[in-house]
Amino acid sequence: AQSVAQPEDQVNVAEGNPLTVKCTYSVSGNPYLFWYVQYPNRGLQFLLKYITGDNLVKGSYGFEAEFNKSQTSFHLKKPSALVSDSALYFCAVRVPNDYKLSFGAGTTVTVRA
Amino acid sequence: NAGVTQTPKFQVLKTGQSMTLQCAQDMNHNSMYWYRQDPGMGLRLIYYSASEGTTDKGEVPNGYNVSRLNKREFSLRLESAAPSQTSVYFCASRRGTANSYEQYFGPGTRLTVT
Repeated sequence: AQSVAQPEDQVNVAEGNPLTVKCTYSVSGNPYLFWYVQYPNRGLQFLLKYITGDNLVKGSYGFEAEFNKSQTSFHLKKPSALVSDSALYFCAVRVPNDYKLSFGAGTTVTVRA
Repeated sequence: NAGVTQTPKFQVLKTGQSMTLQCAQDMNHNSMYWYRQDPGMGLRLIYYSASEGTTDKGEVPNGYNVSRLNKREFSLRLESAAPSQTSVYFCASRRGTANSYEQYFGPGTRLTVT
């Protein structure tokens, strides 16, 4: 069985400060890892993914994430947060040849001006 | 190119009523999915369709049925709605080929069962 944990329900940062949203996962085999963002009353938007290769992946809106196999983590980062980054962020995992994507519970990010 | 569309956007049902949530995608994707989103629980997979003509149960299928009407459309039916089915429902699609990974989501249907 595969699962994802997002240990923080909420993350609060000041605009201009670094933003980190944590994610750890559990799978049998090699993971495909994803980050999605959800703005209020909207569907989920894809931010970035790790499939294979370089452990640091870059995505939309200046976000990046680092895959750490030994720690089974895939933390989302942004060097300088904007107020417009305030949203709900989901980490997700699946394994190759499986159609099912498992999501974490989500982390609400609030960036204050 | 509208992506993934869902109808209706909002719905209120009484316990025991039935309804069908509609989903369509115009990206020629093979795979389609239905999720429900509840506070503090992330998204949970209800049913999915790996390709036209196939459907499979996900994590929480009880109380739901699906139909993959054609490649574009994947509907979710509640035969006898219960208050526990109050949720936000999202449809998603994925190209479903060897090098396609991410899913694309619709805007959601907010369902309240009283």
